[in-house]
Amino acid sequence: TQLLEQSPQFLSIQEGENLTVYCNSSSVFSSLQWYRQEPGEGPVLLVTVVTGGEVKKLKRLTFQFGDARKDSSLHITAAQPGDTGLYLCSRNSGGSNYKLTFGKGTLLTVNP
Amino acid sequence: DAGVIQSPRHEVTEMGQEVTLRCKPISGHNSLFWYRQTMMRGLELLIYFNNNVPIDDSGMPEDRFSAKMPNASFSTLKIQPSEPRDSAVYFCASTQAGVGYTFGSGTRLTVV
Repeated sequence: TQLLEQSPQFLSIQEGENLTVYCNSSSVFSSLQWYRQEPGEGPVLLVTVVTGGEVKKLKRLTFQFGDARKDSSLHITAAQPGDTGLYLCSRNSGGSNYKLTFGKGTLLTVNP
Repeated sequence: DAGVIQSPRHEVTEMGQEVTLRCKPISGHNSLFWYRQTMMRGLELLIYFNNNVPIDDSGMPEDRFSAKMPNASFSTLKIQPSEPRDSAVYFCASTQAGVGYTFGSGTRLTVV
């Protein structure tokens, strides 16, 4: 089983602070996705990274894919209460197998 | 586009009863996935269809679970008989060739 380890499991911060959450695996990813899930809803895709060393930005969110394609990080600048949610990373099995394997997520709470 | 539509949103049933969860994927998406989410185990893939054909059902916990996809616009996940340990949120997701994964809002199942 190719496990995805996410850390920290829980994170509670004040509005305006910066934070970074991590996703790690012992094996190489063909691609990695980050999702945000709000209470009572399904996960919503934020970004897909494919190339080692790749950095993508989505407003205040910065996603980085490790050079060896075994790890990724999500950095949020000046967090807002609307950023509250469960952040999940997932990996694609590769090729024509489109199933995703998910980490258990980081539950982020941004307090006003 | 209405997205992936799941019904019902909530289901409370007694142990031993049959439960049927329904999903309508996004039109044009050729892959459909059923996931189960719990606090302990996170998001787990139950079964994956490609072009209406089951490709990987290795995540289906036991024979009490079955899934069908009679056409490209409809899938069901059935549990018979249901047990309290089946209580979870069940998500359906769809994608077109691994691009644009979209999740439904989920069905929260409680078996008492």
